This record gives sequence, structure tokens and C-alpha cells, in this order.
Amino acid sequence: AQSVAQPEDQVNVAEGNPLTVKCTYSVSGNPYLFWYVQYPNRGLQFLLKYITGDNLVKGSYGFEAEFNKSQTSFHLKKPSALVSDSALYFCAVRDLGRNTDKLIFGTGTRLQVFP
Amino acid sequence: EAGVVQSPRYKIIEKKQPVAFWCNPISGHNTLYWYRQNLGQGPELLIRYENEEAVDDSQLPKDRFSAERLKGVDSTLKIQPAELGDSAVYLCASSLDSGASMVFGPGTRLTVL
Repeated sequence: AQSVAQPEDQVNVAEGNPLTVKCTYSVSGNPYLFWYVQYPNRGLQFLLKYITGDNLVKGSYGFEAEFNKSQTSFHLKKPSALVSDSALYFCAVRDLGRNTDKLIFGTGTRLQVFP
Repeated sequence: EAGVVQSPRYKIIEKKQPVAFWCNPISGHNTLYWYRQNLGQGPELLIRYENEEAVDDSQLPKDRFSAERLKGVDSTLKIQPAELGDSAVYLCASSLDSGASMVFGPGTRLTVL
């Protein structure tokens, strides 16, 4: 079965510092991995995805993620955090098969960026 | 382009009452998904439609939940009767076809008292 794990409930970082939000995955076959962000009272917004190709994926708002097959990780990163990045971040794997098409989400990590 | 539209945005009801949520997907998107997000959790799929056909409803609690997607466009998710544990955010998403990028709506936050 496909799954993702986000080991941190919350990550705190000072504005201007680099940030990392961790995600590990467990899949059978090739992983289709995603990061979404959720602001209060708003839906999920797509940040980036990995399907194949370069291990470093660049996405929206200056975010990037590094796919690491040997460590089965897909950590989200940003070189310089902004206060406006404070939100709830979800890692997800797409379970796509003959009769299946759904995103399986982690439990989420709350990012708090302090001024 | 307009995104996925959901209404209402918020709903408060007493237990045992019925409730319905409406979703209008992005124009031309054939695949529609309903997810439920419990507090402190990631969303989980309830049902997936390909056009007007429910192709995956394995996670839908069929004793009290029902859904429809007449004409393969808008969709309605209903709960009857609602229970306290149904309090959650109900998210609708759509994609051009199965496997294509999924776009989420803002969700309906349901509170059952």
C-alpha cells in the first residue's frame, strides 16, 4: 500500500533562514509525489510534484523538493523563509492504477515562520 | 480561469439532521473527487467520478452518505442523518482526466452539534 509520513507536527523557523519540511514515502512501483499548502479556511494549493526526471523539483513561491530514492524521502525546502509561508503543508503520493486514482496524504506539518 | 467552486463554505447543524454540499468543478474536467479532512489529519478520498459514473466509492460510508453527479458536471454530497463524528472539512477536487493534475476547491467546513 502507498503511504507517506510527515514526522514533524510543527516546524519553527526565523524569517530569512532556510526551511525544511520532511516527508518519507512507501510505495510499490514508481512514486508520484506531491506537496500541497493549506492556508486557514482555504483549500489545498499545489506547490510541486515529482514524477520522473531531475531529483530536485522546483515549484511555486520559491519552494523546491529533493527526491531521494535511497532514503525514500521527498523533503520540501526553501532557501529563505517568509512570514507569509506560515501555513499547513501536506506531502502526498498519488495512488494511480487500473481502478484507482487518489492522493494519499500525510498528516501535515504546520510551518511557523517568526519575524 | 475559475477554480473549483464549493458551497456552502460553512455549515453548522445538529446531529441527526441532513446536510448537502455542492461542487462545481473546473469547466471541462471529467474527473471529480470528494475528500474528507478531519481535524489534524490529511484529506482522505470518499468518492471519485469519471463523468457521471462513480468509479470508486469504496471509502464512502454508504449507510448515511450519498453522492451524485448528474450530467457529469456539478456534484452533490449528502449526509443523512449527520453524526457528531462527521464534523470535518469536505473538499471537492477535479482533474481533466484520471491521472491529470488535481485542483482543489476551498472546502465546506461542517460542524455537527
